[in-house]
Amino acid sequence: NAGVTQTPKFRILKIGQSMTLQCAQDMNHNYMYWYRQDPGMGLKLIYYSVGAGITDKGEVPNGYNVSRSTTEDFPLRLELAAPSQTSVYFCASTLATGSNQPQHFGDGTRLSIL
Amino acid sequence: AQKITQTQPGMFVQEKEAVTLDCTYDTSDQSYGLFWYKQPSSGEMIFLIYQGSYDEQNATEGRYSLNFQKARKSANLVISASQLGDSAMYFCAMREGLIGSQGNLIFGKGTKLSVKP
Repeated sequence: NAGVTQTPKFRILKIGQSMTLQCAQDMNHNYMYWYRQDPGMGLKLIYYSVGAGITDKGEVPNGYNVSRSTTEDFPLRLELAAPSQTSVYFCASTLATGSNQPQHFGDGTRLSIL
Repeated sequence: AQKITQTQPGMFVQEKEAVTLDCTYDTSDQSYGLFWYKQPSSGEMIFLIYQGSYDEQNATEGRYSLNFQKARKSANLVISASQLGDSAMYFCAMREGLIGSQGNLIFGKGTKLSVKP
């Protein structure tokens, strides 16, 4: 059972570089989310998607973009990386909202911007 | 306004004893869900337990139980018979709204639990 798969697990970027964090789930979940976790803090929502072709901003979307062309994949794009984007990024998915269905998380991507 | 408050940055508990991790929340919604996640040092987020706002009984999952006091807006996690493997960060999270909501979780800052042998 793969669940939610994130790649890469670790990455170091230089300021101004760009990259895409990959997220894929094999549970046929419509709802997918990107969170970031800064040291000593809880997770904050960057973007979310309620289905293929539909995305929307969360609490901290600046500096990021997403797309959702398929149910399975929800990549997160960083353009012009900045030191403030150094964080651990989690992708999550859930079957349904408004119920006891938990969000299933990937193992995270640890990103450092130097 | 902070919606999830975890007031204990760190907690210690002796192995085999019970421990309570505090969580208070703030919402104007009548329908919401409360979740607890465990994050070990390896970094993954592990779902532990769920409590719905309309659930009349406190949720239980094995050694985990949730002390839900709706009027006080608290949802404390109780871990019974602590084990060394319980040492981790614990996050309380809330999902507001019912079906049709975006379903994202709002997280507290977490409590670091250390179990002493």
